[in-house]
Amino acid sequence: GQSLEQPSEVTAVEGAIVQINCTYQTSGFYGLSWYQQHDGGAPTFLSYNALDGLEETGRFSSFLSRSDSYGYLLLQELQMKDSASYFCAVRQQTGANNLFFGTGTRLTVIP
Amino acid sequence: ETGVTQSPTHLIKTRGQQVTLRCSSQSGHNTVSWYQQALGQGPQFIFQYYREEENGRGNFPPRFSGLQFPNYSSELNVNALELDDSALYLCASSAGTVGEKLFFGSGTQLSVL
Repeated sequence: GQSLEQPSEVTAVEGAIVQINCTYQTSGFYGLSWYQQHDGGAPTFLSYNALDGLEETGRFSSFLSRSDSYGYLLLQELQMKDSASYFCAVRQQTGANNLFFGTGTRLTVIP
Repeated sequence: ETGVTQSPTHLIKTRGQQVTLRCSSQSGHNTVSWYQQALGQGPQFIFQYYREEENGRGNFPPRFSGLQFPNYSSELNVNALELDDSALYLCASSAGTVGEKLFFGSGTQLSVL
């Protein structure tokens, strides 16, 4: 079967660092993406890892280990506006944007 | 640069009816994907359209169908609505069929009574 596991909820303090983990088990793997979704809003792209290692984009970094079927999203210098749901997603096939999403991690940033 | 727009934003239908949802892709994007997001869940891939043809489909029955037009806009049609079809329907556009970055619209919230 296919599965993506993420923690359902995480709470962190403003200014701190938080890591959201994602483990996957899928029939095909062509990369791991992360999306942010505020309540009532559209999912927005944060990062993509096709190869092992760390990708950094401003306050956000994403890591992938294909041998461990594991990745994480790291958010630094947390701000209140970072309170949202975060989804990891695996591309399952080549030639199509067939993303398999996890159930999401709801991040709450507190003062 | 205009983003992805979807219409309507909200819709209420009764079981057995048919519905059509619309999506305008972001300027310059030729590929449109549709996703269904149930409350508290991640989006689920329905299908993708490129050059007016379906080129990828998720685990959804044939009563879910779509169209893409020459201007790259798209429609999602659902026939014989069921209560479980109640969800947020998201459209995403990308520059190419394997664009790493999908641009999502804010979705259409469909309620089936």
